[in-house]
Amino acid sequence: GAVVSQHPSRVICKSGTSVKIECRSLDFQATTMFWYRQFPKQSLMLMATSNEGSKATYEQGVEKDKFLINHASLTLSTLTVTSAHPEDSSFYICSARDLGEETQYFGPGTRLLVL
Amino acid sequence: GQNIDQPTEMTATEGAIVQINCTYQTSGFNGLFWYQQHAGEAPTFLSYNVLDGLEEKGRFSSFLSRSKGYSYLLLKELQMKDSASYLCAPGGSYIPTFGRGTSLIVHP
Repeated sequence: GAVVSQHPSRVICKSGTSVKIECRSLDFQATTMFWYRQFPKQSLMLMATSNEGSKATYEQGVEKDKFLINHASLTLSTLTVTSAHPEDSSFYICSARDLGEETQYFGPGTRLLVL
Repeated sequence: GQNIDQPTEMTATEGAIVQINCTYQTSGFNGLFWYQQHAGEAPTFLSYNVLDGLEEKGRFSSFLSRSKGYSYLLLKELQMKDSASYLCAPGGSYIPTFGRGTSLIVHP
């Protein structure tokens, strides 16, 4: 099956710093990648949809200047949490989907803790 | 938009069978996904039903009725490791939405 990796798996940072999370599709070309956030015991919340070579589409309430998304190639998308604050601490999960396919394959997630 | 309804929590005994139901209302429906999510981990793909009927894959089976907007996930011979959240997700809309999921607790 399709494999999606995420890096790092866990990050702890100080308030005010920026954190970059990478999402890679390892054995297929992901024309679309999705970024989710999940707080403890809550459902997955879609943050943004990223299409290769174009600007990401953000969900309502998600600040695009705070959560920078770059999808520069068919196998890599990055999410940068700028000036992170403790309330940004969460589990960030990416998923990838191939052109013409509907199945999303999820990365293992990145657990962010902002002190 | 999408409206997904599934039970919040279910409990079952090891070795038993459990059925997790999901009803949905969505535009542009093509098929229905089921994902499994263990606590602290990302979701993993279980099944994708496009046509009506039951599809079996080992201990897990998934059923779809497009006309009724209804699906279920059937888990047989339950094991402790099956304790997880099970997410129902209608596919077909450009923006995917997941339900809150059903938390399944398997006890000895």
